[in-house]
Amino acid sequence: KNQVEQSPQSLIILEGKNCTLQCNYTVSPFSNLRWYKQDTGRGPVSLTIMTFSENTKSNGRYTATLDADTKQSSLHITASQLSDSASYICVVPQFGNEKLTFGTGTRLTIIP
Amino acid sequence: DVKVTQSSRYLVKRTGEKVFLECVQDMDHENMFWYRQDPGLGLRLIYFSYDVKMKEKGDIPEGYSVSREKKERFSLILESASTNQTSMYLCASRDLTGSNSPLHFGNGTRLTVT
Repeated sequence: KNQVEQSPQSLIILEGKNCTLQCNYTVSPFSNLRWYKQDTGRGPVSLTIMTFSENTKSNGRYTATLDADTKQSSLHITASQLSDSASYICVVPQFGNEKLTFGTGTRLTIIP
Repeated sequence: DVKVTQSSRYLVKRTGEKVFLECVQDMDHENMFWYRQDPGLGLRLIYFSYDVKMKEKGDIPEGYSVSREKKERFSLILESASTNQTSMYLCASRDLTGSNSPLHFGNGTRLTVT
């Protein structure tokens, strides 16, 4: 069964600290994995995509990693800001069709 | 920037009512989607559409129908609303460049059925 599991479910950190969110998937065959950020009361917005051949990709203070062998991805946030408070959702498509498997998300709260 | 607009942010309906959720996108995307989002369950696909007048069932289509008469507009219809359809409904669109394209979401409609 295609699954995407995220951990932790929720995380609270102090402003300025770093954190890492995890995503494990069993979707096969694998083509890519995408991270979305969902602010409260808004729809998800794409942060970054990791394709099969990529190991690390940075987007400002966000760095995503992918280990296709262990089927794991992580999203590392550096020097967190209050605006990073959001849910972060990991999504993996079922190869060759429009069906996406969504993780249940990590709810990140940054406190001053 | 792609803009996906959902007509209502909040809706309160009674059990048995017919409910229409409207979604419009302004980037000429071929693909449009309706998801519902519930705590602890992640996003679940209700229906999607590849083109005008075309629709495909997602993972949880029961109790829902859709309409796509124009390319930019995708409507979700709850034929007879029930309390278990209380949820956040998210519309999304995507262009036709395969699974590497991101979904562009609206800001959601929070529907409460009493």
